[in-house]
Amino acid sequence: GAGVSQTPSNKVTEKGKYVELRCDPISGHTALYWYRQSLGQGPEFLIYFQGTGAADDSGLPNDRFFAVRPEGSVSTLKIQRTERGDSAVYLCASSLGTVNTGELFFGEGSRLTVL
Amino acid sequence: SQKIEQNSEALNIQEGKTATLTCNYTNYSPAYLQWYRQDPGRGPVFLLLIRENEKEKRKERLKVTFDTTLKQSLFHITASQPADSATYLCALDTTDKLIFGTGTRLQVFP
Repeated sequence: GAGVSQTPSNKVTEKGKYVELRCDPISGHTALYWYRQSLGQGPEFLIYFQGTGAADDSGLPNDRFFAVRPEGSVSTLKIQRTERGDSAVYLCASSLGTVNTGELFFGEGSRLTVL
Repeated sequence: SQKIEQNSEALNIQEGKTATLTCNYTNYSPAYLQWYRQDPGRGPVFLLLIRENEKEKRKERLKVTFDTTLKQSLFHITASQPADSATYLCALDTTDKLIFGTGTRLQVFP
């Protein structure tokens, strides 16, 4: 597809379960970002990949959160032992180079609800 | 601490008027600033980028200013239309990532 694709669009899980959220960026985009957005708030930075490596993971809230991008394209955000406070929309974005070369292209997000 | 502030109250204006949204920041020295539009249930969509050495940038009915002394950006929509109703987010660069404000919801009524 032409845009950033995120799956699933909605995920409902129980407290304590493991969750994986997938992001398929625009073809050729080397930079990939994960953000988290709670209701009424702006996107909150989680992690940034340049190619296969995590260039900045300073936004990950704790060690239950982990993200990978093994081949420099698709990325997976993994959340272990989910808590109710993890409920939010998880947004993925990609860009051609580093962020100062221009805009981020966002996906529609994965809405996570932890019961 | 670093902070980006946007009007937390929704902005309601009449169709045809100019909407002005404010973005203030503290403890940042961004090289540039971006504005995004976000509709309910959708991801943000890029609108404009302005660099620190640019005072003003225009695109169709949109105008952005960037005052690095005041640490403020203003976002204007002229001749506003109901279709402009959305949340508008400002974002600052911090070398390798964008940091977003909380957004301002704009409602344009006929």
